[in-house]
This record gives sequence, structure tokens and C-alpha cells, in this order.
Amino acid sequence: DIQMTQSPSSLSASVGDRVTITCRASQSISSYLNWYQQKPGKAPKLLIYAASSLQSGVPSRFSGSGSGTDFTLTINSLQPEDFATYYCQQSSTTPYTFGQGTKLEIK
Amino acid sequence: QVQLQESGPGLVKPSQTLSLTCTVSGGSISSGDYYWSWIRQPPGKGLEWIGYIYYSGSTYYNPSLKSRVTISVDTSKNQFSLKLISVTAAETAVYYCARAGPLTFDFDYWGQGTLVTVSS
Repeated sequence: DIQMTQSPSSLSASVGDRVTITCRASQSISSYLNWYQQKPGKAPKLLIYAASSLQSGVPSRFSGSGSGTDFTLTINSLQPEDFATYYCQQSSTTPYTFGQGTKLEIK
Repeated sequence: QVQLQESGPGLVKPSQTLSLTCTVSGGSISSGDYYWSWIRQPPGKGLEWIGYIYYSGSTYYNPSLKSRVTISVDTSKNQFSLKLISVTAAETAVYYCARAGPLTFDFDYWGQGTLVTVSS
């Protein structure tokens, strides 16, 4: 299985900050990398697909980049509703696997 | 607007079978445009993909569960289902159904999730 490792596992930031979350794959996955946001008690929500494509309806302050094994999710100008847990997911090879999550908390 | 809704027992005894159904509305499973998956999340932990089914009935299961899992589809009811046999307490989790596109296999629509507790 392809292992997905996110860093950091948790992150404290303030409203208006710019934050970056990293996801590393144990082998090359080309651009088959997706990002999700999950709030407590809710299903994950797709933010970014194919490494850098913004899902319809997602604010443009979210962006993704990377290819191969290293990927980043950037959130510009954090808003109060952005405090949540973020997961990456590889869709290059079955079984599809997720990172362990990054919890973004208010400083 | 596509919606998915999980249903099934919230409590299952150890060694018994977990059975859940996902009802899809606002779109047809038979369209053949998507794959239909089950994903689970133990309380306070991360996400694990269980497997998918295509409208034709073709499936792929996570090898870690392959010997115990069956996913089936009923296109007449626009539903797909999960059966997991011989469950243990460690499989207590929120179980989600989700839709994935065939090119990038991102999960763009999810059910709200249903908590299944494995306990005697």
C-alpha cells in the first residue's frame, strides 16, 4: 500500500494567517492527490482534486500544489470556518489511502 | 444535487455481520459515470477506504478486508450495500458511503455517516 504522511499533525494559527500543510507519498503518485476538510461530527468535504484543481464552490483561498511524492495544501488568509482537520488522499493506486490528518486549531 | 444516505443497525455484536445500505438521490448509479465507495473512520482516528462498486457490479476491495467484505448494488433502488462479516470491537467506526469520479477518484459527495458500534 502507498503510505501517506502529513505534516504537521497539528497546527495553531490565527485568523488572517497563511498556512501550509504537507503530504508525502511513499512512492510516486503523479498528480493523483486529493485534499479534504473535516469538521467535528461531519463527513469530509473535498477541497482540491488532482493535486491542484479547486473543487467547485470551494473558496479560492485554498490551493494545492505538487506532483510525484510531495504535495502541499495552502490556505491564504485563514477564516474562522477553516479551523478543522485536513486529510490528503492518494488515488493513484488501489487501495486508496489517506494521510493521518492535520488538525488546524485557533491560536 | 446528489445526496447519499447511509442506513443500518447502529449496534452489532462481535463476530456477527455488519450490514449497511447507501441510498443515492439526485443522480443515478446506473449512469455509469461514477464509482461508489465505503469508507470508515474509528472514533478520533483517520479514514480507511473499504472498497468500491461500479453500476455493473464490478468491485474492488481493500486487501486488508477482502476476505470479509462484500459490496453489492441494486440499481432498481439506486442503492449500494456493505456487508462485513466477523466484526470485532476494533471495527467500531463511523461508516461513510461516497461517490468517486472515474478519472481522479476523488470523493466528491459523501453521506453524513453512520456510527456502528461493535459490542456485546
